[in-house]
Amino acid sequence: EAEVAQSPRYKITEKSQAVAFWCDPISGHATLYWYRQILGQGPELLVQFQDESVVDDSQLPKDRFSAERLKGVDSTLKIQPAELGDSAMYLCASSLAEPGGRGEQFFGPGTRLTVL
Amino acid sequence: AQSVTQLGSHVSVSEGALVLLRCNYSSSVPPYLFWYVQYPNQGLQLLLKYTSAATLVKGINGFEAEFKKSETSFHLTKPSAHMSDAAEYFCAVRGKGDSTLTFGKGTMLLVSP
Repeated sequence: EAEVAQSPRYKITEKSQAVAFWCDPISGHATLYWYRQILGQGPELLVQFQDESVVDDSQLPKDRFSAERLKGVDSTLKIQPAELGDSAMYLCASSLAEPGGRGEQFFGPGTRLTVL
Repeated sequence: AQSVTQLGSHVSVSEGALVLLRCNYSSSVPPYLFWYVQYPNQGLQLLLKYTSAATLVKGINGFEAEFKKSETSFHLTKPSAHMSDAAEYFCAVRGKGDSTLTFGKGTMLLVSP
């Protein structure tokens, strides 16, 4: 069964360091999402890609976060420098690009980030 | 803007008892609604979705939810809880023609023997 892959699964870093997360969506899924889930909260969208283009990054803290999907397949989310408040689960999801945004989103297992 | 409210951050039931997790949505037009389940340190798995077809939606693992426009609700139910149902459950809303999901804060379901 096709799945969204993410790595690493767990990351511990010190504040002011740089971290990067990787996501490989389900093959053929043109739409890719990065979410941040703070403990005790629901996921919040950080950035959405359609192929290699950013569709929505309105909630991405652009002073320290960046995301890319250079070839329209896998994607990297980077934080530099990391802050204590960035500790969270970072989830990647992908979907087919269906009309009207009806494509079901499939989630990866997430990367748990702890900033010390 | 759309939003969902999940009543109760924690719900405790006994094994074999009815499960009821509440979700109310706020939207100017009937949206698409979803329930996801999340086990510890894992991603989200879709349980079921409402996309303006039948108002009673059946999902995986014996769960179902009923869309009630008059009450702006989409509560999740299961007739008999199993220990393996213990997890966190998220209600989410998406506008028609929109691909962005907005999640509630989640409800942790605790199942005791």
